[in-house]
Amino acid sequence: GAVVSQHPSWVICKSGTSVKIECRSLDFQATTMFWYRQFPKQSLMLMATSNEGSKATYEQGVEKDKFLINHASLTLSTLTVTSAHPEDSSFYICSATDRGSGNTIYFGEGSWLTVV
Amino acid sequence: GNSVTQMEGPVTLSEEAFLTINCTYTATGYPSLFWYVQYPGEGLQLLLKATKADDKGSNKGFEATYRKETTSFHLEKGSVQVSDSAVYFCALRFSGTYKYIFGTGTRLKVLA
Repeated sequence: GAVVSQHPSWVICKSGTSVKIECRSLDFQATTMFWYRQFPKQSLMLMATSNEGSKATYEQGVEKDKFLINHASLTLSTLTVTSAHPEDSSFYICSATDRGSGNTIYFGEGSWLTVV
Repeated sequence: GNSVTQMEGPVTLSEEAFLTINCTYTATGYPSLFWYVQYPGEGLQLLLKATKADDKGSNKGFEATYRKETTSFHLEKGSVQVSDSAVYFCALRFSGTYKYIFGTGTRLKVLA
């Protein structure tokens, strides 16, 4: 079946640095990709929606200058957490729609970010 | 607003035990309801769904019925296996959008 892969699965970074998380659709073209975040004991929350070749649409309360999303190709979207702080430590997961299968949605395995 | 509430985990069961994971929702309108499962090291996978009231979704021995009167979509399985150990997410989504509203997820551990 279709696979969405995220990298890295785990990352630890120092406070003030930037970290990039990749989301790839391995065997299909993803017209739209989504980024979610889950803080401990809270729900997975949608952060932003990105369409290939256009700017991402951010949900209310998500800082677009802090969470940079790039969707440069139909198989890759990246989330860059800029000037990371400990409160950005979270579980980040992406999903992608496969237009070749009626826009079925597939999720990645998620990435754990710890900012120290 | 729209939200999904799941029972907190972890839920620990012995093999062949009966499983229930509670899920209730709040929604303005009539969303579709979903259960996703995440096995260790893998992405979320759609387990089952129901698109309207009284629909029953089922897959791999799991079932859930869309109950509008109690705004619930509880996940059940009659006899769990060790291989069912995973995190289960309840979610809703409105038609015409790809945006999901998820619950917190419930970790299930099944012991042999």
